[in-house]
Amino acid sequence: EAGVTQFPSHSVIEKGQTVTLRCDPISGHDNLYWYRRVMGKEIKFLLHFVKESKQDESGMPNNRFLAERTGGTYSTLKVQPAELEDSGVYFCASSPRDGSYEQYFGPGTRLTVT
Amino acid sequence: RKEVEQDPGPFNVPEGATVAFNCTYSNSASQSFFWYRQDCRKEPKLLMSVYSSGNEDGRFTAQLNRASQYISLLIRDSKLSDSATYLCVLGGYGGATNKLIFGTGTLLAVQP
Repeated sequence: EAGVTQFPSHSVIEKGQTVTLRCDPISGHDNLYWYRRVMGKEIKFLLHFVKESKQDESGMPNNRFLAERTGGTYSTLKVQPAELEDSGVYFCASSPRDGSYEQYFGPGTRLTVT
Repeated sequence: RKEVEQDPGPFNVPEGATVAFNCTYSNSASQSFFWYRQDCRKEPKLLMSVYSSGNEDGRFTAQLNRASQYISLLIRDSKLSDSATYLCVLGGYGGATNKLIFGTGTLLAVQP
């Protein structure tokens, strides 16, 4: 079974530009999560989708971040315009619908804003 | 105060040693507890769930003390391949979200 995949693996952009990160969850997983780790800090929750609906977006830092999951399959996270403090590793995770708390993480996208 | 506190380490131990990590958490409403392992520049991977009764998986033993809001992980007979960052993770604050709350991690380096 394929795991969670993320694209791109690395992205280097200039301040003010736009970047879109993509996550493909494990097939059949209704729950999809985005997390972020900035340098020197712990991994922090950004938001949670159940299918195409946003269940919890309490971790989104500000309105420069927009997450979508049209059709309830893959998800995108757009940062527009990017700021220096957005640099970090963005992880996506998915879990099945059975209420299990175990989440399966993708390899992450390393974003560098210069 | 951070929701999850861990000693960042590093813990440098020789092969074959026994090493213990501790973690404290501040939210008594937490319902689920985990240890994740993260190798350098890789994603976190679930090592084991943690239960009040304690649970063991091979060389790894995890323990939860709800009264003290304290979680531990014991690794016996350390292997070189155990070198990684060990993340203390909480989940299940109730409500509709299953978001996970991470500690900063404890770095373990097993030396030959």
